[in-house]
Amino acid sequence: AAGVIQSPRHLIKEKRETATLKCYPIPRHDTVYWYQQGPGQDPQFLISFYEKMQSDKGSIPDRFSAQQFSDYHSELNMSSLELGDSALYFCASSLSGVDMEQYFGPGTRLTVT
Amino acid sequence: SQKIEQNSEALNIQEGKTATLTCNYTNYSPAYLQWYRQDPGRGPVFLLLIRENEKEKRKERLKVTFDTTLKQSLFHITASQPADSATYLCALGFSNDYKLSFGAGTTVTVRA
Repeated sequence: AAGVIQSPRHLIKEKRETATLKCYPIPRHDTVYWYQQGPGQDPQFLISFYEKMQSDKGSIPDRFSAQQFSDYHSELNMSSLELGDSALYFCASSLSGVDMEQYFGPGTRLTVT
Repeated sequence: SQKIEQNSEALNIQEGKTATLTCNYTNYSPAYLQWYRQDPGRGPVFLLLIRENEKEKRKERLKVTFDTTLKQSLFHITASQPADSATYLCALGFSNDYKLSFGAGTTVTVRA
């Protein structure tokens, strides 16, 4: 079965650079979520989109922005990167509805040096 | 603010035994709870979802209960196998809210 696809899988950036992470949801899933997971921590919700509109917002820094496109894929744009942004970034997708199980991608490991 | 607490200690059990994980929360009762499995460096994998009006859910060797009076969910792995070794996360969801709030997870190790 098709799963959530994230690219790139690994990314190394320097401080103050920008990064773009991409997420391709499972076919027919119209809701996308982004989470950040630091080493040894639980996933922290950043932002979600339903039908290309932002549906919920968590602890996402102002330096980050995201959007969902007409084909339902999503991109997380991160600017002015800081050392503390180093983490695993997961994208998840689901069918529409607030109580749907979320299917997570393999993650993008971002390292900021 | 909402607090979510899972077993503070890692769980080490013998193959074939039942592992029982707890997820306690404070303040507001969630509309539903989800349980996920996460292996190191990989994304969480959905296991079970239980809604606030449900007492128990089962899926193969897994069982989850939800007690809104105790503000607690229990997650059971019966007839455990070494392949069940992983970190298990509980996640709370609220009405009209898309995000999940995760607990810190409980690491389970099943010895052969």
